[in-house]
Amino acid sequence: GAVVSQHPSWVICKSGTSVKIECRSLDFQATTMFWYRQFPKQSLMLMATSNEGSKATYEQGVEKDKFLINHASLTLSTLTVTSAHPEDSSFYICSARDQEGGDTGELFFGEGSRLTVL
Amino acid sequence: GQNIDQPTEMTATEGAIVQINCTYQTSGFNGLFWYQQHAGEAPTFLSYNVLDGLEEKGRFSSFLSRSKGYSYLLLKELQMKDSASYLCAVRDSNYQLIWGAGTKLIIKP
Repeated sequence: GAVVSQHPSWVICKSGTSVKIECRSLDFQATTMFWYRQFPKQSLMLMATSNEGSKATYEQGVEKDKFLINHASLTLSTLTVTSAHPEDSSFYICSARDQEGGDTGELFFGEGSRLTVL
Repeated sequence: GQNIDQPTEMTATEGAIVQINCTYQTSGFNGLFWYQQHAGEAPTFLSYNVLDGLEEKGRFSSFLSRSKGYSYLLLKELQMKDSASYLCAVRDSNYQLIWGAGTKLIIKP
């Protein structure tokens, strides 16, 4: 199956700093990538849809100025958590859909990035 | 509103069979997905149903009834490694994925 790589897998930072998370599709081109956040024992919450070459589409309640998304190429999307605070501590996961060969809608997920803000 | 319901937690014995149910109310329907998620890891795809009936894939099977807004994931010959959360997700008319909260499955020896 298609491979999505996410980096870093975990990061600890001080409050007020910014953290960048990268999401790469390794063996396919992804015009669309999705960014999720997952708090402990809760389901995935879609934060935004990242579109290559255009602005991301944010879900209601997600601050676009705080969670900056850039999708500069067909294989890379980045999420930057600006001025991170402890309440931003969470598991951030990206996913992409390989749209070639039909659409079962299967999403391929990155490994996830666990952010801890001190 | 849109809603996906699945049990919070289930316990089963190694070697046995377990069925995880999922009911949904969504704006339209364009497929139902089951994902497995081990603690601290990202979800992995298990199955996709868009038509009524049973889809079998090895030890895992998934069933869909669109008229009832109902699906189940059936796991046979349970192994300890099957201990994980199982997420049900429905794609609505806007092709948005609506996620259930997940069912934590605990396998006991």
